[in-house]
Amino acid sequence: EDQVTQSPEALRLQEGESSSLNCSYTVSGLRGLFWYRQDPGKGPEFLFTLYSAGEEKEKERLKATLTKKESFLHITAPKPEDSATYLCAVQAEYGQNFVFGPGTRLSVLP
Amino acid sequence: DVKVTQSSRYLVKRTGEKVFLECVQDMDHENMFWYRQDPGLGLRLIYFSYDVKMKEKGDIPEGYSVSREKKERFSLILESASTNQTSMYLCASSYFGTEQYFGPGTRLTVT
Repeated sequence: EDQVTQSPEALRLQEGESSSLNCSYTVSGLRGLFWYRQDPGKGPEFLFTLYSAGEEKEKERLKATLTKKESFLHITAPKPEDSATYLCAVQAEYGQNFVFGPGTRLSVLP
Repeated sequence: DVKVTQSSRYLVKRTGEKVFLECVQDMDHENMFWYRQDPGLGLRLIYFSYDVKMKEKGDIPEGYSVSREKKERFSLILESASTNQTSMYLCASSYFGTEQYFGPGTRLTVT
């Protein structure tokens, strides 16, 4: 069965304090790994897609990386507006569905 | 920009009522999805559709049905709403094998 776990469950950072969020996955053949940001009461917002081990994607203060078993979302010098829940999802080669992780709730304090 | 819209942001219904949630996407995506999101349980797939008039059950289809008569529109139907269906409902769409784009969500309360 395909599974996704994320750690930590919650993370509090001071503004400017860099850190990483982890997404570990088990899937029988990975088609893609996806990162989303979700603000309270809103739908998830797409950030990145990673397809193969070694791939990296960057957007502003965020960088996503992928290995064969996990992905990291690195946040460099975060700002309070980066506070949100970050979701990771995987899509297997054989299907169209995503399996979502439970998310990491990030708070960045000024 | 991809746009996925949902018919209501907030909805309050009574137990036993029939409830329709509508989702429209403007990107000509083949795939459309309905999820519910609950604290501690994350995003769970209810139904999805990969073509007009086609539907597949997700992980938690009980108590729900769907309809896709046009490519851009995907409806979720609660035949007889119950209090345990109080939740945030999220619609998403995608091309085959690519990222899903989500709507703003409908917060449904069943009393």
